[in-house]
Amino acid sequence: EAGVAQSPRYKIIEKRQSVAFWCNPISGHATLYWYQQILGQGPKLLIQFQNNGVVDDSQLPKDRFSAERLKGVDSTLKIQPAKLEDSAVYLCASTPGYAGTGASEQFFGPGTRLTVL
Amino acid sequence: GESVGLHLPTLSVQEGDNSIINCAYSNSASDYFIWYKQESGKGPQFIIDIRSNMDKRQGQRVTVLLNKTVKHLSLQIAATQPGDSAVYFCAEVRGNEKLTFGTGTRLTIIP
Repeated sequence: EAGVAQSPRYKIIEKRQSVAFWCNPISGHATLYWYQQILGQGPKLLIQFQNNGVVDDSQLPKDRFSAERLKGVDSTLKIQPAKLEDSAVYLCASTPGYAGTGASEQFFGPGTRLTVL
Repeated sequence: GESVGLHLPTLSVQEGDNSIINCAYSNSASDYFIWYKQESGKGPQFIIDIRSNMDKRQGQRVTVLLNKTVKHLSLQIAATQPGDSAVYFCAEVRGNEKLTFGTGTRLTIIP
């Protein structure tokens, strides 16, 4: 079974530029998550989707971050404009069932490492 | 601030010895806890979980202990191998299956 795919794996941009990350979850997984992992810290949830609807975006900095999952499969996370403190690894994860299905079944992708100069 | 924390940022263990990684938490309302392993350049990988009504759970070469009195859990890895070198996170799970991660412990296995 293929895992969660993310691209690009690495991205370097200058502050105030825009950037977008893409995630393809495991086939059939209804719930998709985006996390931000700053160096030396654990991942922090940014947004959770169930199919194409948002379940939780309480920790998403909405003034600059946006995410969508239009067809309930792939998802994109965008930052516009980027700040230095956005440098981090952005992880995508998915679970087989609907929101409320065990967190133990979250499968993570390899992440996109963003460096903002 | 963080409700889940780890005591030590780094831990070095001789190959073949047992490793113990500790984690403290502050929220008594957590439903359960999960230990993750994260290798360089990869996403976190599930190791084992434990419900809040349990004290101990064992897996293959791993054991998790939960002490609710002092709000502490530990991950024990038996007979460590070079492939065990990674950063280990504990995470707590509360309502709506939301994960809150700690800061991680880097485990280095010395050959």
